[in-house]
Amino acid sequence: NAGVMQNPRHLVRRRGQEARLRCSPMKGHSHVYWYRQLPEEGLKFMVYLQKENIIDESGMPKERFSAEFPKEGPSILRIQQVVRGDSAAYFCASSQLGKGGAEAFFGQGTRLTVV
Amino acid sequence: DQQVKQNSPSLSVQEGRISILNCDYTNSMFDYFLWYKKYPAEGPTFLISISSIKDKNEDGRFTVFLNKSAKHLSLHIVPSQPGDSAVYFCAASAYSASSNYKLTFGKGTLLTVNP
Repeated sequence: NAGVMQNPRHLVRRRGQEARLRCSPMKGHSHVYWYRQLPEEGLKFMVYLQKENIIDESGMPKERFSAEFPKEGPSILRIQQVVRGDSAAYFCASSQLGKGGAEAFFGQGTRLTVV
Repeated sequence: DQQVKQNSPSLSVQEGRISILNCDYTNSMFDYFLWYKKYPAEGPTFLISISSIKDKNEDGRFTVFLNKSAKHLSLHIVPSQPGDSAVYFCAASAYSASSNYKLTFGKGTLLTVNP
C-alpha cells in the first residue's frame, strides 16, 4: 500500500476552484487507475492510463474532469470548477500487468472536500 | 445497475470463529475476482483473488470460493482475529472481454471481530 503515493491526503476547495490530485505509482508500474469513493459507496472506476496514454476514461464525467500520466512525473487527476458533489475520496492504483493477475495496489487516497 | 453486490452491510463474529462474507455479480463477462480489505482513512489492500477457471483459492486464513453458475463468491476467514475488523470489498474484472483490468466494486461489508 505504501508504495503508491498520493498527495495531498486532504484537499479543501471552494466551489468553482480547481483541484489537482497527484499519484506516483509503485516503482516499475506503468499502469495507473483512478477510482472515486462517495460516502457509503464502493469505489467507482474513473480512468485507466498508461504512460502518455489514456486507455479507458469511460468512468470519468465528460466535463470538468481530466487525467494525465506524463512520461516523467506523477499521474494527475484534475477537476475544474469543483462543485459540492465532487466531495469524495479519490484513490489511485497502479499495477504491473503481465504478472498473471489483476492485483492493483492502492494509494491512501486524497479526500477532497468542496465548501 | 449494481453489477457487484454485497448485500450485507455489516457482519459481527466472535474471535476464533469463521467469518463468511458474500458477494454476488450479474455480469457474465467477469472472469477475475478479488477481495480487498480497507481500514478507515486508508486505501484498499489486496487480500486474495480467484480466476473464473477455478472454484477455490486459499491463502493462509483466507479462502475464496467461486460458484460461477450462481454468480456468487464468498470469502472465508478462519480463525477470525480482532485485527481483521475492517471493511471488505469484493471486486471483479472482465479482462478477457476488454484487455483492461479495471475493477467493479461492491459497496463493502463492515466486519467486526469481537474479542
